[in-house]
Amino acid sequence: DGGITQSPKYLFRKEGQNVTLSCEQNLNHDAMYWYRQDPGQGLRLIYYSQIVNDFQKGDIAEGYSVSREKKESFPLTVTSAQKNPTAFYLCASRAGGVDEQYFGPGTRLTVT
Amino acid sequence: QKEVEQDPGPLSVPEGAIVSLNCTYSNSAFQYFMWYRQYSRKGPELLMYTYSSGNKEDGRFTAQVDKSSKYISLFIRDSQPSDSATYLCAMYPTNAGKSTFGDGTTLTVKP
Repeated sequence: DGGITQSPKYLFRKEGQNVTLSCEQNLNHDAMYWYRQDPGQGLRLIYYSQIVNDFQKGDIAEGYSVSREKKESFPLTVTSAQKNPTAFYLCASRAGGVDEQYFGPGTRLTVT
Repeated sequence: QKEVEQDPGPLSVPEGAIVSLNCTYSNSAFQYFMWYRQYSRKGPELLMYTYSSGNKEDGRFTAQVDKSSKYISLFIRDSQPSDSATYLCAMYPTNAGKSTFGDGTTLTVKP
């Protein structure tokens, strides 16, 4: 089955700790994205990558970091510098060009 | 002002009703338009993807794009309780890169 996987589904961390969220796709898509969604709100873009070894900041990149060492993987690290990290995080991918974007199931991060 | 404005809702309708969900946008560079459905605590799933102005139909769903008015709509015919979800519009320009999303409209279809 082709698709996007995110793990874990739920993640709990103490304040001050860095945490890495996993995103893997086997769709052979070039572009990958990370979004944050807060209750009752839309999607806000954190980072995106259109090719391996390259990525760009989105609208709310502060306190986050990413890497794109492999085409199928785009992990997101939520650092201790992120002031309000508790949220629902969504990973997405797109084949490229003008193709549509597909989403993973999401990771719900709770920081206390 | 946001580039994409979506009717905020929430919207509550009886089963069998026709539902209209709407977004307006200000960036004339947007050329590709998508509608996603998101159930609670799940990732969004793609419903419709359109490029040209006009209508695109898929079962009970019809996506309408009016580029001259910078207005897009999603119509749901014969709505079902299983259609209860948040609907997100999204769009991006010809040079792609990143999409811009609306904030979503939450729909409840009551049996």
